[in-house]
Amino acid sequence: KAGVTQTPRYLIKTRGQQVTLSCSPISGHRSVSWYQQTPGQGLQFLFEYFSETQRNKGNFPGRFSGRQFSNSRSEMNVSTLELGDSALYLCASSLVPDTTEAFFGQGTRLTVV
Amino acid sequence: KQEVTQIPAALSVPEGENLVLNCSFTDSAIYNLQWFRQDPGKGLTSLLLIQSSQREQTSGRLNASLDKSSGRSTLYIAASQPGDSATYLCAVQEQRQLTFGSGTQLTVLP
Repeated sequence: KAGVTQTPRYLIKTRGQQVTLSCSPISGHRSVSWYQQTPGQGLQFLFEYFSETQRNKGNFPGRFSGRQFSNSRSEMNVSTLELGDSALYLCASSLVPDTTEAFFGQGTRLTVV
Repeated sequence: KQEVTQIPAALSVPEGENLVLNCSFTDSAIYNLQWFRQDPGKGLTSLLLIQSSQREQTSGRLNASLDKSSGRSTLYIAASQPGDSATYLCAVQEQRQLTFGSGTQLTVLP
């Protein structure tokens, strides 16, 4: 059974650009969440999607957005990149929200220069 | 606002020792608690999930306990091995999000 797949694994972008990250959940999982991990702030929740709808959002500016497709695949977008957006972005999938085990992908390492 | 604390921040032990990692959280209204392992530059690997109604879960050499009323969880690792070296994170699940502690960096010396 394939795990959570995130693409690309590495990205280098310039300040002011935008970026789109992709996450394919485990087959049958309908909940997808995104997290940002930095050395200073640790792991922070970005948003959660279920049935193509954003159900919860963390404390991040509107430059961070996402969506979920009918096959449960999800994308997150960051516009007008800032140096501080450099981080490991992790996607997690679970069968349903809250009560089932969360499985994480390998992450996308974003470097903003 | 939920806060999760992990103690100690770093731990170094010789191979073969049994060890305990601690996790505390401030709001007991959680659905479950999950322990993860993270190797440098990698994603998170799920180790154990404890539902809020459970007290304990075991997987191989790992045993995790949960005391929801006191806001505490422990992860017990038996007979540690160098391959156990990693950062261990606990996270509580509530309202469609996981709140993480800052992790315990474990080094097992051969």
